[in-house]
Amino acid sequence: KAGVTQTPRYLIKTRGQQVTLSCSPISGHRSVSWYQQTPGQGLQFLFEYFSETQRNKGNFPGRFSGRQFSNSRSEMNVSTLELGDSALYLCASRPFTSGSQETQYFGPGTRLLVL
Amino acid sequence: QQQVKQSPQSLIVQKGGISIINCAYENTAFDYFPWYQQFPGKGPALLIAIRPDVSEKKEGRFTISFNKSAKQFSLHIMDSQPGDSATYFCAASTDNQGGKLIFGQGTELSVKP
Repeated sequence: KAGVTQTPRYLIKTRGQQVTLSCSPISGHRSVSWYQQTPGQGLQFLFEYFSETQRNKGNFPGRFSGRQFSNSRSEMNVSTLELGDSALYLCASRPFTSGSQETQYFGPGTRLLVL
Repeated sequence: QQQVKQSPQSLIVQKGGISIINCAYENTAFDYFPWYQQFPGKGPALLIAIRPDVSEKKEGRFTISFNKSAKQFSLHIMDSQPGDSATYFCAASTDNQGGKLIFGQGTELSVKP
């Protein structure tokens, strides 16, 4: 089974621009979560999507948004980029079986650099 | 109350030695505690996980010890190998928010040959 794939792998943007990152979950996985990883703040949860609906949201400004499509693929968008948005953005998927804890499988991430 | 505190920040161990990484949490609603391993340029990968109804779980050279009353859990890597050199993250989540992992700050482990 193919793992979680993320595109693009690397991205350079300038302040004020917007960016869209894409995530394809493992086949059969219906939940997708997004995380931001930085040296200073570590791994921080952004949001989770299931069945095209946002289930959970982390403590990030409204400039960070996401969506999920009917095939479980997900995108996240960051508008009006700031220098501090430079980070590795990780996507993780899980099957989503109600009432159980499940392993989240992470993709390789998208490295975003904001200049 | 959502924090997970991890220590040490970095760890150097000789080959064959025992690596120990500790985590503490505050939120008593947490009921799932995974450990992830991350190599440079890769996403985190699940190493081992435990629930609070178990005090210890062992998988190969990796063992999680869990102390519910102290709200602490730790990862022990026995017979550490240079290939174990990576960054390790503890995490926690609640059953009704399984897609939301709260991570510790990470421990950079270096195993010297």
